Amino acid sequence: EAQVTQNPRYLITVTGKKLTVTCSQNMNHEYMSWYRQDPGLGLRQIYYSMNVEVTDKGDVPEGYKVSRKEKRNFPLILESPSPNQTSLYFCASSPQGAGNEQFFGPGTRLTVL
Amino acid sequence: DQQVKQNSPSLSVQEGRISILNCDYTNSMFDYFLWYKKYPAEGPTFLISISSIKDKNEDGRFTVFLNKSAKHLSLHIVPSQPGDSAVYFCAASAYGTSYGKLTFGQGTILTVHP
Repeated sequence: EAQVTQNPRYLITVTGKKLTVTCSQNMNHEYMSWYRQDPGLGLRQIYYSMNVEVTDKGDVPEGYKVSRKEKRNFPLILESPSPNQTSLYFCASSPQGAGNEQFFGPGTRLTVL
Repeated sequence: DQQVKQNSPSLSVQEGRISILNCDYTNSMFDYFLWYKKYPAEGPTFLISISSIKDKNEDGRFTVFLNKSAKHLSLHIVPSQPGDSAVYFCAASAYGTSYGKLTFGQGTILTVHP
């Protein structure tokens, strides 16, 4: 089944404790992206990757890191999480670029205390 | 600086009637627009898109209209069904479909009553 998977689905952590949210797709897509969803703000793009080893900032990259060492994986790293990073996070992929239909993962609900 | 705006946080319609969801944008470089639908506890799913070279695109019950001069697009759902109840996001991309950045609106909660 073609899908985007994220882990963990739920995470409660404390300020400053480094964490990684994994994202994997099995559709051989070139493009992957991370978004956060917050009430009243909709979805905002954090980082995106056009291909392996190619990443770039979205609209809200502060406090996040990403890497794209393999085509299928695009982990989101929070080196020192803060409470303002409490949010619902989505990973997505598409064959080529943001303007193509993107396939989203199920989301990761992160709470930073 | 919200470049894509959905000014109606919610919309309520009766089953069988038309639902019209609106979206405004400010960046004249946007040339590709998409609508996504999101159910609770799920990721968004793609609904329909339109290129700036068109002013209308249809897919079954869903039609998107683009008014470039007004920097406005709308999604029409006819007829509306209870299963259409979800959050709808419009999104915009510049420089065609192969660019990396995508800007979303705040979303509109659609409720379709039986």
